[in-house]
Amino acid sequence: DAGITQSPRYKITETGRQVTLMCHQTWSHSYMFWYRQDLGHGLRLIYYSAAADITDKGEVPDGYVVSRSKTENFPLTLESATRSQTSVYFCASSPLRGRTDTQYFGPGTRLTVL
Amino acid sequence: QQPVQSPQAVILREGEDAVINCSSSKALYSVHWYRQKHGEAPVFLMILLKGGEQKGHDKISASFNEKKQQSSLYLTASQLSYSGTYFCGTEMKTSYDKVIFGPGTSLSVIP
Repeated sequence: DAGITQSPRYKITETGRQVTLMCHQTWSHSYMFWYRQDLGHGLRLIYYSAAADITDKGEVPDGYVVSRSKTENFPLTLESATRSQTSVYFCASSPLRGRTDTQYFGPGTRLTVL
Repeated sequence: QQPVQSPQAVILREGEDAVINCSSSKALYSVHWYRQKHGEAPVFLMILLKGGEQKGHDKISASFNEKKQQSSLYLTASQLSYSGTYFCGTEMKTSYDKVIFGPGTSLSVIP
């Protein structure tokens, strides 16, 4: 009964490198989300997905790429990491029963870009 | 379109009450409230769906004024376990299935 997991939990990378953050949920929730959390900004939505093969931009999508080939996985890729992408990244999932619903957050990935 | 939260931070003694406000410039369909303890993931508290709706459990409750596009979170007789950062998330009437979170309010409860 893992729920929603993220890997890695901590990552240090260098400017210009590509890095992929993984998110996996075992509930078969239709919706999945990626947020970044920075001091003073709260949680900002990067991308979200309503189902496999359906993704949409959030508030701050530039510099990020997502895919969702399977319902349970929603990886986030930084194609060419920049220092401004240093942040804590949270993945969330939601069954979205009806118009709106609870979001369940993963434990987060702390990413540092040097 | 990010909602505004006030205050940014508040310090309480055990047993005191607090109110956290959330407001938006857009017409809202729902307001969500989450709490995040230091170093942990945000955890769901409640969703308010209808204008004027009030919800709560234990000593934490919330109201939603649809006409003013505002919501308030009420914490009564605060406990040490209430410490954390509280986020409101707003879902606009014109934007399906997407919740935009505010910057958060840091709440510290001291003995």
